[in-house]
Amino acid sequence: DGGITQSPKYLFRKEGQNVTLSCEQNLNHDAMYWYRQDPGQGLRLIYYSQIVNDFQKGDIAEGYSVSREKKESFPLTVTSAQKNPTAFYLCASSPAAGPYTEAFFGQGTRLTVV
Amino acid sequence: KQEVTQIPAALSVPEGENLVLNCSFTDSAIYNLQWFRQDPGKGLTSLLLIQSSQREQTSGRLNASLDKSSGRSTLYIAASQPGDSATYLCAVRLREKSSGDKLTFGTGTRLAVRP
Repeated sequence: DGGITQSPKYLFRKEGQNVTLSCEQNLNHDAMYWYRQDPGQGLRLIYYSQIVNDFQKGDIAEGYSVSREKKESFPLTVTSAQKNPTAFYLCASSPAAGPYTEAFFGQGTRLTVV
Repeated sequence: KQEVTQIPAALSVPEGENLVLNCSFTDSAIYNLQWFRQDPGKGLTSLLLIQSSQREQTSGRLNASLDKSSGRSTLYIAASQPGDSATYLCAVRLREKSSGDKLTFGTGTRLAVRP
């Protein structure tokens, strides 16, 4: 089955720890995205990548880091610098940029700071 | 900066009613607009994609329209069913000159269809 897989589904982090959220796609898509969703605020873009070994900051990149070493994978690290990391994190991918591109999403990771 | 607004924020209707969800955006230079459905605690499911050159798209009981010049899109749901209860999100794809495409989302409309 083709799709986007996010893991884990639930993640608990102690204050001061870094955690990494996994996102893998087998759709052969060039572009991948990370969004954060908070109640009442919609989805906000954290980072995105149009091609392997390249990525750009989104609207709320502070306290997060990413890598794009393989086309299939775009892991997100939530660092201790992120002061309010509790949220629902969504990964998406789409084919190469342009007017015909449709985005597809994973099932999300819910991160809770304990 | 592109801003996307969805009205209403929440909607409750009886089963069988036809309904319209609204999405507006500030920058009309978009590549396309996509409507999604999100069930509680789940990811987003793509419903319809409208390219900037198109005026509407249809899938089953769903019809989405796009008026790029006025910065508006509507999602029409015919003969609503309790299974349609979910949050509906619209997103526009905008070309960033220096860094490529990105999607900007509205805050969503939470729909409840009462049996």
